[in-house]
Amino acid sequence: DVKVTQSSRYLVKRTGEKVFLECVQDMDHENMFWYRQDPGLGLRLIYFSYDVKMKEKGDIPEGYSVSREKKERFSLILESASTNQTSMYLCASSSGQGSGEQYFGPGTRLTVT
Amino acid sequence: AQSVTQLGSHVSVSEGALVLLRCNYSSSVPPYLFWYVQYPNQGLQLLLKYTSAATLVKGINGFEAEFKKSETSFHLTKPSAHMSDAAEYFCAVWGYKFYFGSGTKLNVKP
Repeated sequence: DVKVTQSSRYLVKRTGEKVFLECVQDMDHENMFWYRQDPGLGLRLIYFSYDVKMKEKGDIPEGYSVSREKKERFSLILESASTNQTSMYLCASSSGQGSGEQYFGPGTRLTVT
Repeated sequence: AQSVTQLGSHVSVSEGALVLLRCNYSSSVPPYLFWYVQYPNQGLQLLLKYTSAATLVKGINGFEAEFKKSETSFHLTKPSAHMSDAAEYFCAVWGYKFYFGSGTKLNVKP
């Protein structure tokens, strides 16, 4: 059974803190993605990676960075959390050329106070 | 550039009624199109995928979608709604990366 896990389901952080969101997949997928989900806006792509140590900016990368040192792990970093980064964060992975089915983790609901 | 528009942020149907969720896309290349479903407090899971093999695509849980190039549409349908279909549905197009619509919440009334 394919699995994408995220380190926390719920997280509360203070403004200015450095925040790490971890995502691990056990399917040997080449491609990994980070999205944020906000009501009425759907999913917006923050960063993605089509190979280890490779990363590309998505549509809303400002205020975020990522790290992919191992194939199975893709980390999202909020360098200095702000209240407008309060959101649901979803990680996904896929195989092949990138157009294949994405498998999603359960999400991390981050609240920045 | 690719984009997706979902018409109707909320759709309400009675149990047993037809479900129709609308999706229009914009793509500069032959598209890969997807429908995903999200149940409360869960991640997204794939309902169905269009990859140009057939214009009518059947998915899980009795859902299907028809690709209409002339209308640039990929509407999702189900002949008879069930209470368990209540969820949020997302249309997506792939063009080097994924572009998701804003989602449609489906409410099913008893």
